[in-house]
Amino acid sequence: AQSVTQLGSHVSVSEGALVLLRCNYSSSVPPYLFWYVQYPNQGLQLLLKYTTGATLVKGINGFEAEFKKSETSFHLTKPSAHMSDAAEYFCAVSGKIYNQGGKLIFGQGTELSVKP
Amino acid sequence: EAQVTQNPRYLITVTGKKLTVTCSQNMNHEYMSWYRQDPGLGLRQIYYSMNVEVTDKGDVPEGYKVSRKEKRNFPLILESPSPNQTSLYFCASSLNRGQYGYTFGSGTRLTVV
Repeated sequence: AQSVTQLGSHVSVSEGALVLLRCNYSSSVPPYLFWYVQYPNQGLQLLLKYTTGATLVKGINGFEAEFKKSETSFHLTKPSAHMSDAAEYFCAVSGKIYNQGGKLIFGQGTELSVKP
Repeated sequence: EAQVTQNPRYLITVTGKKLTVTCSQNMNHEYMSWYRQDPGLGLRQIYYSMNVEVTDKGDVPEGYKVSRKEKRNFPLILESPSPNQTSLYFCASSLNRGQYGYTFGSGTRLTVV
């Protein structure tokens, strides 16, 4: 069965510092991988995804993530944090098996705080 | 604008009073799904649909029903709501087996008293 683990339920960084949010997955075959962001009182917005091809993927708002098959990881990074990045971030995987209906399995989420 | 629209955004109801949360998408997506989000438990899939008239249970289907009579609509029905169904609900849709990622609605915060 697939599962997703996000290390750290809360991460705090200073404005301008590197953001690193960790995500590891467990799956018998490499799944599709996603990062979503949730701002307060809003739905989830897709930041970036990896489906195939280049393992370093770039998303919106300056975020990027690297798929490392050997480490079963998909960590999210941003070189310089901005106050507007404060939100909750979810890593998710989706299986490639047709009859799963593209089900997304989410990690528990990481709340990012950005200090001035 | 491409979007998933859920209604209502907020709902307070009493135990046992049937309710429906509507979900509509304008992207001609085949795949639609309902999730609930609870503190400490993350997001869990309730039901999903791979196409019109094709629905199946997710991880936490008990107490919920869905229907997919039209491609664009995927309502969530609570026949007899209970307090443990107090949660934040999200509808989502995807073009093709979810490999492109899901587009999420803005959420429905349901309180059952």
